[in-house]
Amino acid sequence: QSALTQPASVSGSPGQSITISCSGTSSDFGAYSYVSWYQQHPGKAPKLMIYNVSNRPSGVSIRFSGSKSGNTASLTISGLQAEDEADYYCSSYTSSATYVFGTGTKVTVL
Amino acid sequence: QVQLQESGPGLLKTSGTLSLTCAVSGGSVSADNWWSWVRQPPGEGLEWIGELHHSGRTNYNPSLKSRVTMSVDKSKNQFSLMLTSVTATDTAVYYCARNGAFHFNSWGQGTLVPVSS
Repeated sequence: QSALTQPASVSGSPGQSITISCSGTSSDFGAYSYVSWYQQHPGKAPKLMIYNVSNRPSGVSIRFSGSKSGNTASLTISGLQAEDEADYYCSSYTSSATYVFGTGTKVTVL
Repeated sequence: QVQLQESGPGLLKTSGTLSLTCAVSGGSVSADNWWSWVRQPPGEGLEWIGELHHSGRTNYNPSLKSRVTMSVDKSKNQFSLMLTSVTATDTAVYYCARNGAFHFNSWGQGTLVPVSS
């Protein structure tokens, strides 16, 4: 299985909104809405930010939101802050009962 | 809050077998969860290796399936990963994680496993 496709990098100024896309095939996403997003700071473990396309775990800022249309999922960060600078990965539960991650996106706060 | 801690060999030689253990605290490995292993080569992205349930059921990444075995030790509240015939391309930080409903909601800190000849 190939990785889901994400842009290598996205940047924005403090206070702005940015959106990260995550594209795959119908097999990658299956008939489900089991897309999740993870934030990873350098040298740290990934942290769950969004699950089941648009749900936020307790403790995650409301500035993070997710959506999905067809075979593309998206993560939007509103009111960009310096602490949001990190790598972000999408993940999906596939029609083969496996998981696949995205290629990863480096978010830079200008 | 469940906490996960990986432990392993630190350094492996090519063609050897990687063995890692993930100790679970603040929760039970026998809970109705699946548990996963994920790896990340230096400077690269995340790769799902596979998952297991305390019942013994497993699901593996097709690209690694022939070399992977996962198991659970309920008496020690931990689960394990074995990866055979390793090469330099298996050099990575290996993470253990707890599955939520089709996502990964708790992660260990990760352990780097270099493979050299």
